[in-house]
Amino acid sequence: RKEVEQDPGPFNVPEGATVAFNCTYSNSASQSFFWYRQDCRKEPKLLMSVYSSGNEDGRFTAQLNRASQYISLLIRDSKLSDSATYLCAVNGRPMNTGFQKLVFGTGTRLLVSP
Amino acid sequence: NAGVTQTPKFRVLKTGQSMTLLCAQDMNHEYMYWYRQDPGMGLRLIHYSVGEGTTAKGEVPDGYNVSRLKKQNFLLGLESAAPSQTSVYFCASTHKYRTSGVYNEQFFGPGTRLTVL
Repeated sequence: RKEVEQDPGPFNVPEGATVAFNCTYSNSASQSFFWYRQDCRKEPKLLMSVYSSGNEDGRFTAQLNRASQYISLLIRDSKLSDSATYLCAVNGRPMNTGFQKLVFGTGTRLLVSP
Repeated sequence: NAGVTQTPKFRVLKTGQSMTLLCAQDMNHEYMYWYRQDPGMGLRLIHYSVGEGTTAKGEVPDGYNVSRLKKQNFLLGLESAAPSQTSVYFCASTHKYRTSGVYNEQFFGPGTRLTVL
């Protein structure tokens, strides 16, 4: 099983729609969760961290479900400019060195149309 | 602040050639990383460094070497390029973990698009 899994999409939605993505993770000991946004041919940029209590930033809401081991991202009132790929990231199991790397999902592509 | 910068932005190599990718950050971050991103594979960690003078292997280190002689720079070397190394390479940096398992935001460079013929 992959450490982090996402539906690759694409999710095609009209402007103004609400869309939600999920990201499942396999390491029950994970403590850090993030959503990154990646535009075409650009680098990933942090969209928001995901806290146990959930958090909201404008039209974006992130939630953590530890029992089912997934995080979610909800985008309300979608804009054309929201079209991008959304990557989730979760701290993985320790490697041989003991270091815990951040494991990224392969991303979910969102296309918002007029 | 420039953040994380990478040079070059694009490069085409022939099989067997060598090159070095340079990553520089001006945020005084302790940790630095090299990733490669391929379609359907996501970001995969090649090598990482937790401080000046220290480097370690990530999940796909074969065919690559790294050095971190200065805190702000992290170099990725390909000694003998192969077509399988055609990819987009991202460097990232972050402050060291506040506590075990609790991460800080990773800042990424703009990437280097490498094609090996």
